[in-house]
Amino acid sequence: GIQVEQSPPDLILQEGANSTLRCNFSDSVNNLQWFHQNPWGQLINLFYIPSGTKQNGRLSATTVATERYSLLYISSSQTTDSGVYFCAGTYKYIFGTGTRLKVLA
Amino acid sequence: GAVVSQHPSRVICKSGTSVKIECRSLDFQATTMFWYRQFPKQSLMLMATSNEGSKATYEQGVEKDKFLINHASLTLSTLTVTSAHPEDSSFYICSARGDGLISGNTIYFGEGSWLTVV
Repeated sequence: GIQVEQSPPDLILQEGANSTLRCNFSDSVNNLQWFHQNPWGQLINLFYIPSGTKQNGRLSATTVATERYSLLYISSSQTTDSGVYFCAGTYKYIFGTGTRLKVLA
Repeated sequence: GAVVSQHPSRVICKSGTSVKIECRSLDFQATTMFWYRQFPKQSLMLMATSNEGSKATYEQGVEKDKFLINHASLTLSTLTVTSAHPEDSSFYICSARGDGLISGNTIYFGEGSWLTVV
């Protein structure tokens, strides 16, 4: 089946720093979404981005479907950005391995 | 935005009993719902996909007789863990996708359910 790898697996940032998270798919993918899982387990929709670029405040995402990857950019990080970031795709929404982010005050 | 509600958020049950978890789409009709399981510090593992009015499609390795999924209406899907054992303890979370006309192919998640089997 399709494999979804995310990098880096773990990331520690100082508040105010910028970061880029990557999501690679082993095969072509549609329905790509980015999620943030907070410490209580809730999954928050960030972007539905099968292709192109979108921005929402300090977050933006770019998907290059032909090259089977997507990037999530976090600018001016805040402690509330801490948690796990997942990408998911294909018609069954297979989840990636996740990036665990910790932002230090 | 689309809201998906999952209940109960936490449940403790005795080994050998069954427990039911409900997943409801509150403001849209969910033609498809997905059930996931998540172990601590791991990613979400898709268990099954359910379409309203038809049998669920289970992923390889998921016991369909143990994890009963019913999607009887466009707003409700249930997961029943039958004859639960301690190894079934986990975080279970559902997601729902609409008919594409309003929410597109975006999926929305419930709050998740923590199951502890003692």
